[in-house]
Amino acid sequence: EAQVTQNPRYLITVTGKKLTVTCSQNMNHEYMSWYRQDPGLGLRQIYYSMNVEVTDKGDVPEGYKVSRKEKRNFPLILESPSPNQTSLYFCASSLVTSGMGEQFFGPGTRLTVL
Amino acid sequence: GESVGLHLPTLSVQEGDNSIINCAYSNSASDYFIWYKQESGKGPQFIIDIRSNMDKRQGQRVTVLLNKTVKHLSLQIAATQPGDSAVYFCALTGGGNKLTFGTGTQLKVEL
Repeated sequence: EAQVTQNPRYLITVTGKKLTVTCSQNMNHEYMSWYRQDPGLGLRQIYYSMNVEVTDKGDVPEGYKVSRKEKRNFPLILESPSPNQTSLYFCASSLVTSGMGEQFFGPGTRLTVL
Repeated sequence: GESVGLHLPTLSVQEGDNSIINCAYSNSASDYFIWYKQESGKGPQFIIDIRSNMDKRQGQRVTVLLNKTVKHLSLQIAATQPGDSAVYFCALTGGGNKLTFGTGTQLKVEL
């Protein structure tokens, strides 16, 4: 089944404790992206990647890192999480190597930073 | 930066009626527009898209209208059904590879 998977789905952590949220897609998509969703603010793009080893900042990249060493995986890294990073996170992928085109979203990761 | 706003945070319609969800944007360089539907507890799902060289595009029960003069985008859903209840987001690219989303409209379908 074609899909985007994220792990973990739920995470409660404490300020400053490094964490990684994994994202994997099995559709051989070039473009992958991370978003955070907060009430009243919609989805905001954190980082995106147009291909392996090519990443770029979205609208809210501060406090996050990403890497794209393989086409299928695009982990999101929070080196030192803070409470303002409590949010619902979505990973997405697209066949098209740009922001255009249908993006397939994962099920989301709900992160709470205490 | 780009700003995208929806006109109403909540829209209630009767089952069988047509729904119209509106979206306004600020960047005249925006060249690609897309609508997503998000059901409770799930990630967004693609509905329909349109490029700036078009002003109308139709899908199954959905139509997207683009008015570049007033920077306005709308999604029309014909014969709205209970399964259409969700949050609807418009999104657009401003000539690059970033996708900017609006804040969403909650569509409630009343039986």
